[in-house]
Amino acid sequence: GENVEQHPSTLSVQEGDSAVIKCTYSDSASNYFPWYKQELGKGPQLIIDIRSNVGEKKDQRIAVTLNKTAKHFSLHITETQPEDSAVYFCAASMGRDDKIIFGKGTRLHILP
Amino acid sequence: GAVVSQHPSRVICKSGTSVKIECRSLDFQATTMFWYRQFPKQSLMLMATSNEGSKATYEQGVEKDKFLINHASLTLSTLTVTSAHPEDSSFYICSANPQRGQETQYFGPGTRLLVL
Repeated sequence: GENVEQHPSTLSVQEGDSAVIKCTYSDSASNYFPWYKQELGKGPQLIIDIRSNVGEKKDQRIAVTLNKTAKHFSLHITETQPEDSAVYFCAASMGRDDKIIFGKGTRLHILP
Repeated sequence: GAVVSQHPSRVICKSGTSVKIECRSLDFQATTMFWYRQFPKQSLMLMATSNEGSKATYEQGVEKDKFLINHASLTLSTLTVTSAHPEDSSFYICSANPQRGQETQYFGPGTRLLVL
């Protein structure tokens, strides 16, 4: 089955700087890669997703890149703000009502 | 985005009792819902896929007789933890797809279960 690896497990970034989280997946059949943000005691919130037919997607301060050949994808947050502090999960799916497999998460701390 | 709710948000029960958790899609119909469990500082682990009008599909290692799933309507799936024990204490989260055949899943706010 699919296996998703995520790094780093913890990331501290000065406010205003950029944060990068990287993930790899094992199953080349996966074609949908969402990113979720989870705040303490809450359910995950979808922040951005990318499908395998594109290499990059951007939404304001958030961008995601996908390298299908290498089977890795990354989340980039620019101009970080205190409210960006949370746990971020990458995930992979084969789409069409298929289950989503999560990475282990990255705890992002934005330092004042 | 699509809204998914869960009830209750928190529940405390005695060991040996059963607890029911509801997951509702508020503004869309969902033929498929998913149930996850999350232990402190860990990732979400898929427990089962809930299919409207048919039996749920359980992941390997998840006891189907202990975690009963019912998806009786297009907007409601329930998870019943039977004969709960302290090790069942966890954060239970459901998700649903707003559009059949699409990949996007939206998650509920979660239910924190504490078994004494």
